[in-house]
Amino acid sequence: GAVVSQHPSWVICKSGTSVKIECRSLDFQATTMFWYRQFPKQSLMLMATSNEGSKATYEQGVEKDKFLINHASLTLSTLTVTSAHPEDSSFYICSAGRLAGGPGEQYFGPGTRLTVT
Amino acid sequence: AQSVTQPDIHITVSEGASLELRCNYSYGATPYLFWYVQSPGQGLQLLLKYFSGDTLVQGIKGFEAEFKRSQSSFNLRKPSVHWSDAAEYFCAVTGANNLFFGTGTRLTVIP
Repeated sequence: GAVVSQHPSWVICKSGTSVKIECRSLDFQATTMFWYRQFPKQSLMLMATSNEGSKATYEQGVEKDKFLINHASLTLSTLTVTSAHPEDSSFYICSAGRLAGGPGEQYFGPGTRLTVT
Repeated sequence: AQSVTQPDIHITVSEGASLELRCNYSYGATPYLFWYVQSPGQGLQLLLKYFSGDTLVQGIKGFEAEFKRSQSSFNLRKPSVHWSDAAEYFCAVTGANNLFFGTGTRLTVIP
């Protein structure tokens, strides 16, 4: 149980275009979803937290107009990288938390590798 | 401010040998501590967690970790490493919801 999927698993896009990444909780309702960015050989950096039906809370330094997050349902959150540039190339990971889940309880997706050319 | 330090970037062990991965944390209140493993192309999998109680916690795949408040540490151990344990390991801390991760330790297992 508690499976989280991400789609696509990898994507290549041209500079200036936008790309959408989907994060789905397959067998539970995710009241909170988290989006992380992971640089090579570095840790996961939290980008934003979203609760179903409300606006995402972005971490300091994350451009909310560039990284659009929508948490429209209890099983789906999307991250749209707008006007992508090569420096946006990274590994993006989502995670989901359940209602009444324990502190820090998050279930992670497999990640999406974004390459901007 | 909360932070997690994993001093070892890369560790190499022989299959069958014991393993200890170090984790030190900084947190103002009672921490909730986690160890995750990340294999290539896969998401993070929770190995074990500490919330309270017994300071030695058992996890999946034969892993265990010990919480030492006096040393602000939460080291991960395994008595006998298997080749399939080769992966990236992350220690994390939280007080409520947001997880703060260390930089990870990459484990290589030699046959």
